[in-house]
Amino acid sequence: HVQLVESGGGVVQPGRSLRLSCAASGFTFSSYAMHWVRQAPGKGLEWVAVIWFDGNNKYYTDSVKGRFTISRDSSKNTMYLQMNSLRAGDTAVYYCARDPHITAAGGLFDYWGQGTRVTVSS
Amino acid sequence: EIVLTQSPATVSLSPGERATLSCRASQSVSSYLAWYQQKPGQAPRLLIFDASNRATGIPVRFSGSGSGTDFTLTISSLEPEDFAVYYCQQRSNWPPTFGQGTRLEIK
Repeated sequence: HVQLVESGGGVVQPGRSLRLSCAASGFTFSSYAMHWVRQAPGKGLEWVAVIWFDGNNKYYTDSVKGRFTISRDSSKNTMYLQMNSLRAGDTAVYYCARDPHITAAGGLFDYWGQGTRVTVSS
Repeated sequence: EIVLTQSPATVSLSPGERATLSCRASQSVSSYLAWYQQKPGQAPRLLIFDASNRATGIPVRFSGSGSGTDFTLTISSLEPEDFAVYYCQQRSNWPPTFGQGTRLEIK
């Protein structure tokens, strides 16, 4: 069965960096686009970034452009989110999610991880 | 970006009743609308995709309808496990966007 497991969250000071990981299993990771979606405390869902199946296309929400970098390593069945210059507004639970469309990203999220919490605070 | 507005913000119903949740888009999203369910402390779960298609394993009491700018999620007869927050999401235009959620609570 499909499983996504995030890790790497924690408490970090403003301006510092953090790298999140998403380990995938139960499907052919290299065939699917993958996303990061976040949820601030008590708030709704916000799409953050997507990476195509082959890593050649990456897109970000405006608020993280230039600060966050999405990547993947298909040899490890793992996706990453490198977060630099973190701000208080980045505080959230970060979920990785699979896009069910083969190769290209259709902007749908059919399987989600359990999330990893990121707190940006001094 | 496309803004999705869900109504009501909160709805209180009893088990066995019918629930009707609405989602309105700021511009047409064709049929590229999905619904997710989220329970406290859990990740969202995909219920409906492309307006009216149930995701794998979703009970038949969940149904979706609509196209263009107006969409509805209907739960025909509420079960105790259905009380949760529901989000709509569009994938017609990038970036994908979510509604603010409707909380379905037990009356």
